[in-house]
Amino acid sequence: AQTVTQSQPEMSVQEAETVTLSCTYDTSESDYYLFWYKQPPSRQMILVIRQEAYKQQNATENRFSVNFQKAAKSFSLKISDSQLGDAAMYFCALHRDSNYQLIWGAGTKLIIKP
Amino acid sequence: GAVVSQHPSRVICKSGTSVKIECRSLDFQATTMFWYRQFPKQSLMLMATSNEGSKATYEQGVEKDKFLINHASLTLSTLTVTSAHPEDSSFYICSARSPYILDEQFFGPGTRLTVL
Repeated sequence: AQTVTQSQPEMSVQEAETVTLSCTYDTSESDYYLFWYKQPPSRQMILVIRQEAYKQQNATENRFSVNFQKAAKSFSLKISDSQLGDAAMYFCALHRDSNYQLIWGAGTKLIIKP
Repeated sequence: GAVVSQHPSRVICKSGTSVKIECRSLDFQATTMFWYRQFPKQSLMLMATSNEGSKATYEQGVEKDKFLINHASLTLSTLTVTSAHPEDSSFYICSARSPYILDEQFFGPGTRLTVL
């Protein structure tokens, strides 16, 4: 069975500091995608960053970057220079290629302290 | 690009009535659409996967007679909650997938259903 685990229900960080959100997963497939989604209070799901498993290079999108450790099945998200607008629920998700479904983690609530 | 809309954004209905929620892909053709349910402070729970022109595939534990899903065109899927009861109150989210756009799911803004 494929699973995604986010062990941090809540994290807080001072504005302008850096925070890392953890995600581990389990899959028997060799080719897959991993995603981080942000869900602000509006509840609109917003894609933050994606990583193809076959790519060794870690994905980066401006202040957001991942640390993808395929052998360890770890996919953490680093947010640099945290801003008040980054406050949201963050969900890690694994894309199941066979039927295009997403397997979701439980989420991490990120609080930004001004 | 890749915008998904949902209508209505919020609906309140009486117990025993049926409610229809629409999910539209505005600027792309969605071969597959997904319906999720999200309880407060929880993750998304996949209810069903629908492919255009075919019957939806429901996840285990989801009543297909209660949650009717229709995906009649490449830009529209509907979820009808039949004979709604207070326990059906929740936040419902749809997403749409196009194999031509990075093989990615694009999410609607969600619909909050309250059953009195």
